[in-house]
Amino acid sequence: AQSVTQPDIHITVSEGASLELRCNYSYGATPYLFWYVQSPGQGLQLLLKYFSGDTLVQGIKGFEAEFKRSQSSFNLRKPSVHWSDAAEYFCAVGVGNEKLTFGTGTRLTIIP
Amino acid sequence: NAGVTQTPKFRILKIGQSMTLQCTQDMNHNYMYWYRQDPGMGLKLIYYSVGAGITDKGEVPNGYNVSRSTTEDFPLRLELAAPSQTSVYFCASSYSMPPSDIQYFGAGTRLSVL
Repeated sequence: AQSVTQPDIHITVSEGASLELRCNYSYGATPYLFWYVQSPGQGLQLLLKYFSGDTLVQGIKGFEAEFKRSQSSFNLRKPSVHWSDAAEYFCAVGVGNEKLTFGTGTRLTIIP
Repeated sequence: NAGVTQTPKFRILKIGQSMTLQCTQDMNHNYMYWYRQDPGMGLKLIYYSVGAGITDKGEVPNGYNVSRSTTEDFPLRLELAAPSQTSVYFCASSYSMPPSDIQYFGAGTRLSVL
């Protein structure tokens, strides 16, 4: 069965430290890949997306993600986090004409 | 630009009551979606629409109904509310078909059924 896994439920990092959030998927074909961010009390906002081409994609707010076909992963990274990055992050995956499947989310806490 | 607007933001219902969650978008998007978000469960698709007059079930449609009489509006109806419907509900829209197009989300409706 097709699935999306975000193995980390909650991550805490210090302000200024680097960040990596993991996303793994199980699909037969190369999927469309997205990262969304949800700030407290808000809807989801797109950070970045991968459809094809360069496997390292840049997004808003200084985030980037790398598609690794061999590992079926699409991990989100940021070299130096800011307190305003505290939020919940969702990986979403889709193939063909199917609807998006969202991961269960990773909640990010920033320590001053 | 307002984007996707949901009302109300919060609501408490008693078991067995009914209500309609409103969603409107001003981006002339063809596709609209309703999701529910439960803690630790991510987003689950309830219903979606590919255009006015056309709706279809998603992953968790039981207990809900939708209609799409205009491009802009996509209300979600809860009949006979149950505690299992306590959740945060998000409406979203996209210009073209999933999964290749970006979805734009509303701020959500937090519903409690007691």
